[in-house]
Amino acid sequence: DGGITQSPKYLFRKEGQNVTLSCEQNLNHDAMYWYRQDPGQGLRLIYYSQIVNDFQKGDIAEGYSVSREKKESFPLTVTSAQKNPTAFYLCASSILGQPTGQPQHFGDGTRLSIL
Amino acid sequence: DAKTTQPNSMESNEEEPVHLPCNHSTISGTDYIHWYRQLPSQGPEYVIHGLTSNVNNRMASLAIAEDRKSSTLILHRATLRDAAVYYCILITQGGSEKLVFGKGTKLTVNP
Repeated sequence: DGGITQSPKYLFRKEGQNVTLSCEQNLNHDAMYWYRQDPGQGLRLIYYSQIVNDFQKGDIAEGYSVSREKKESFPLTVTSAQKNPTAFYLCASSILGQPTGQPQHFGDGTRLSIL
Repeated sequence: DAKTTQPNSMESNEEEPVHLPCNHSTISGTDYIHWYRQLPSQGPEYVIHGLTSNVNNRMASLAIAEDRKSSTLILHRATLRDAAVYYCILITQGGSEKLVFGKGTKLTVNP
């Protein structure tokens, strides 16, 4: 079955540590996205990528980094510069080029907590 | 991005219809109305979208006002599995760089 796989489901970070969240899709989608969700809130965009080796900052990119070396993979690194990283992180993908505003398909998320 | 306004919460009984409203008074002519829902501890799931005409799919129906300043997501027979937060989002034609999620409507379904 096609879909988006995020791993791990739960992740713990120590102070001063960088951690990387994995996101893989086998939907052959061009675009991939990372969102952050805090309790009781909507989603906020961290980074997105529409093509391999290119990505753009979203609304809250500070303290995060990404790479897009392969079409199917879009890992997110939460750096030590992100002072409040505890949140639910969601990866999504979509097709580009359709005129109707194409739906985004989401993974099941990674919940990051600070030790 | 044009804003949407939704009630914070709604309640329904199982097997009854549910009408979830969304106001978007500043919608532009090229904005599509999308609905997503998010079950607890899961990622959002696309439900339905439309531009001007009412739309139906296997999950729900979308009724769009004639002036497009409001819309209603209709679940014809609510089940316990429909309990989720429902988000109404506007997406400009040809672009989906980001989805701007508000707080949505939390739907509770009573057995």
